[in-house]
Amino acid sequence: GQNIDQPTEMTATEGAIVQINCTYQTSGFNGLFWYQQHAGEAPTFLSYNVLDGLEEKGRFSSFLSRSKGYSYLLLKELQMKDSASYLCAVEDSNYQLIWGAGTKLIIKP
Amino acid sequence: NAGVTQTPKFQVLKTGQSMTLQCAQDMNHEYMSWYRQDPGMGLRLIHYSVGAGITDQGEVPNGYNVSRSTTEDFPLRLLSAAPSQTSVYFCASSYPPSTSGGRNTGELFFGEGSRLTVL
Repeated sequence: GQNIDQPTEMTATEGAIVQINCTYQTSGFNGLFWYQQHAGEAPTFLSYNVLDGLEEKGRFSSFLSRSKGYSYLLLKELQMKDSASYLCAVEDSNYQLIWGAGTKLIIKP
Repeated sequence: NAGVTQTPKFQVLKTGQSMTLQCAQDMNHEYMSWYRQDPGMGLRLIHYSVGAGITDQGEVPNGYNVSRSTTEDFPLRLLSAAPSQTSVYFCASSYPPSTSGGRNTGELFFGEGSRLTVL
């Protein structure tokens, strides 16, 4: 079967750095997405990785290792507004998205 | 730029009732989809469309119908509501690269969501 695993909840301190991991087992791979979802709102796109390595976009970076079936989202200089759920999604060989259940990130002052 | 507009935001139904969730996008996106989101689970694809006149089933299509008569609109119909359909529903669209035959989802743009309760 196809599976995306990510931690259910994480807590971090304002100003710090946090890494949210995502491991996947899917039928093929065409890319990996990270989305941010604030409570009661729709998901919004953060990043897309299709090749191995690190993609940096401001305070957010996303890393991919296809051989290990592993990705992480790195958030630097955490702000209170970063409190949200972070969704990992993998596009399989049929170009369908397989979604993880999301990681709820709690930022404390 | 309105993006993806989804209505209604909230709806309460009784078991057996039918209803339609409306979705419209003004970005000329070829790909549109409907997801449901339940606590502790990832988003699950209900139906999707890669262009006007073309629809296909996703992971959890039972109890739902869709149609795509125009590029802009992609309504989701609940035929006979059941308590198991209590969920938050999201419509999403994207402009997939032509190299994927229209199937690559690309970056998804989501509507604000519709919270449906079936009693």
